[in-house]
Amino acid sequence: DIQMTQSPSSLSASIGDRVTITCRASQDIRNSLAWFQQRPGKAPESLIYGASSLQSGVPSEFSVSGSGTDFTLTINSLQPEHFATYYCQQYISYPFTFGPGTKVDIK
Amino acid sequence: EVQLVESGGGLVQPGGSLRLSCAASGFSSSDYNMDWVRQTPGGGLEWVGRSRSEPYGYTTEYAASVKGRFTVSRDVSKNSFYLQMNSLKTEDTAMYYCTRGAVGSIPHDSWGQGTLVTVSS
Repeated sequence: DIQMTQSPSSLSASIGDRVTITCRASQDIRNSLAWFQQRPGKAPESLIYGASSLQSGVPSEFSVSGSGTDFTLTINSLQPEHFATYYCQQYISYPFTFGPGTKVDIK
Repeated sequence: EVQLVESGGGLVQPGGSLRLSCAASGFSSSDYNMDWVRQTPGGGLEWVGRSRSEPYGYTTEYAASVKGRFTVSRDVSKNSFYLQMNSLKTEDTAMYYCTRGAVGSIPHDSWGQGTLVTVSS
C-alpha cells in the first residue's frame, strides 16, 4: 500500500497569514493526489484533485504544487472559514490512502 | 443539487451485521464511481470500498481490512448505494460516509453527512 504522510500535524495561525501544508507519498503517484477540508462536526469536502485542479467553488486563496511524491497546499490569506483539518489522498492505486491530516487552528 | 444521504448506522455487537444505505439525488449514480469512506473516533480517514460506474460494469474494490466481510452494491432503480457489513469488529467503529467520484478525475467530489456505526458488546 502507498503510505501518505503530512506535515505539520497541526499549526496555529492568524487571519491573513499564509500557511503551507506538505504531503508526501511513499512512492510516485504522478498527479493522482486530492486534498480535502473538514470543518469540525462536518463531513470532508473536496478541494483539489489531479494535484493542481481546484474543485468548482473553491476560493482562489488555495494554491497547490507538486507531482510524483511531494506536494504542498498553500492557503495564501487565512480566513475564518479556513480553520479546519486538511487531508491529502492518493488515488493512483488501490487501496486509496489518506494522510493523517493537518489541523489548522487560530493562534 | 447533488445530495447523498446515508442511513442504517447504529450499535451492533461484535460478530454482528449491519447494512448501510446511501440515497443519491440530483444526479444518476450509475454514471459515477461510488465509494464508502470511514472516519475512526481518532479522526483518521480510511477508504473502505468502491463500486465503479456502469461503463465499468459496477465492478468493486475493497480495502484489505474489510475484504471478505463487507460488500458494496447498488440498486440503480432506486439510485441507491449500499454497504453490507458482516462479521463486524470493534475496530469497524467509525462514521461511514458515502461519496461520489467522477470517472477519471475527482475521486470523491461529493460526500454525505455520514452515519455512525458503533461495534461494542
